Amino acid sequence: AQSVTQLDSQVPVFEEAPVELRCNYSSSVSVYLFWYVQYPNQGLQLLLKYLSGSTLVKGINGFEAEFNKSQTSFHLRKPSVHISDTAEYFCAVSEENAGNMLTFGGGTRLMVKP
Amino acid sequence: ETGVTQTPRHLVMGMTNKKSLKCEQHLGHNAMYWYKQSAKKPLELMFVYSLEERVENNSVPSRFSPECPNSSHLFLHLHTLQPEDSALYLCASSQDPFVRGYGYTFGSGTRLTVV
Repeated sequence: AQSVTQLDSQVPVFEEAPVELRCNYSSSVSVYLFWYVQYPNQGLQLLLKYLSGSTLVKGINGFEAEFNKSQTSFHLRKPSVHISDTAEYFCAVSEENAGNMLTFGGGTRLMVKP
Repeated sequence: ETGVTQTPRHLVMGMTNKKSLKCEQHLGHNAMYWYKQSAKKPLELMFVYSLEERVENNSVPSRFSPECPNSSHLFLHLHTLQPEDSALYLCASSQDPFVRGYGYTFGSGTRLTVV
């Protein structure tokens, strides 16, 4: 069975600085990978997903993520963050033999400071 | 209308009360899900429905009872809850629970407080 680890529970960063949120997964089969964002008092919203093809995936709000199969990672990056990016970010995995069932990581709270 | 709508947004109930959470999706999806989100814990999958049939039940206590009368509506009936059941309950939908790649569309959640 797969598992998803988000190594940082909180990431503080200053406005306009770059940020990387880390995600590692464990699985012995092919995976699809997702990043979701949750703003305060909201549900989760899809940021981007990797299914196949280019390992660099671009999403909404200037975010991108890179799939690294050898390191089983799918880190999320943004070159310059805004105050409005303050939110909780969740990495999720869909495994080859598990249909569309997603396994979520524990989340990383991004706190952007002025 | 937004894709997935949950009502109420906030609910406070006593341990002896009976209440229901409602979820409605306007996306033509065939699968619906209930998740529990507690503070400092990962998202917990509670129930999965595909075309109104329950396909997954992750050992949820019987005080939570789901109902899916059609592919657009999902309910979570609550009775004799405990304070540790206080959490954000999220509903989600997807085109198909067995076809990968679609991801989920989430509602805004119901913040439940059990007193």
